Amino acid sequence: DQQVKQNSPSLSVQEGRISILNCDYTNSMFDYFLWYKKYPAEGPTFLISISSIKDKNEDGRFTVFLNKSAKHLSLHIVPSQPGDSAVYFCAGGANSGLGTYKYIFGTGTRLKVLA
Amino acid sequence: DTAVSQTPKYLVTQMGNDKSIKCEQNLGHDTMYWYKQDSKKFLKIMFSYNNKELIINETVPNRFSPKSPDKAHLNLHINSLELGDSAVYFCASSQDRGPMGPLHFGNGTRLTVT
Repeated sequence: DQQVKQNSPSLSVQEGRISILNCDYTNSMFDYFLWYKKYPAEGPTFLISISSIKDKNEDGRFTVFLNKSAKHLSLHIVPSQPGDSAVYFCAGGANSGLGTYKYIFGTGTRLKVLA
Repeated sequence: DTAVSQTPKYLVTQMGNDKSIKCEQNLGHDTMYWYKQDSKKFLKIMFSYNNKELIINETVPNRFSPKSPDKAHLNLHINSLELGDSAVYFCASSQDRGPMGPLHFGNGTRLTVT
């Protein structure tokens, strides 16, 4: 049961252009979403988050958009830089009922920014 | 000053063996996790501990036993290793149990069972 889907396994973008990474989810209990970036041989590092009560959150070059009705979120990177080349994971979170949030991750999208 | 460190980085072993992966965080976080990334790249939660107490236990074979001697450590012991256990295992921690504390991951342990 894949509750979080990142249907594009890879994406190539020219340096300076916009990168748009998409994520779809099925679990309507998710009320918080995270984006992570992962370099090879390293653990995922937190990028940006969004609560379900918002539809947009911005942090520097990174903006996350949430469309609750479509159960869709996207991460925009503007302008894209070669150092942004990595695998990006989105995750949906819900209270597990035990006082802890449980996050379900997608399978990631590999972004390559071409110089 | 690594925030979440796990050892070893690589682990190659034979079927049937017992092995452990250690994890330590120096962030002062109360909650720690183990995630497994399989060959299909799914990053799945296995366990969550809060202040040494088991909070989340996903459908994981009981050959996997987490141990938290204190809130800064969460070790993973695996008995009778099987080929299907080959994966990258990530330890993580978060500041609180709610949504506002993002997960901080270690660099992973690549386990290969032959």
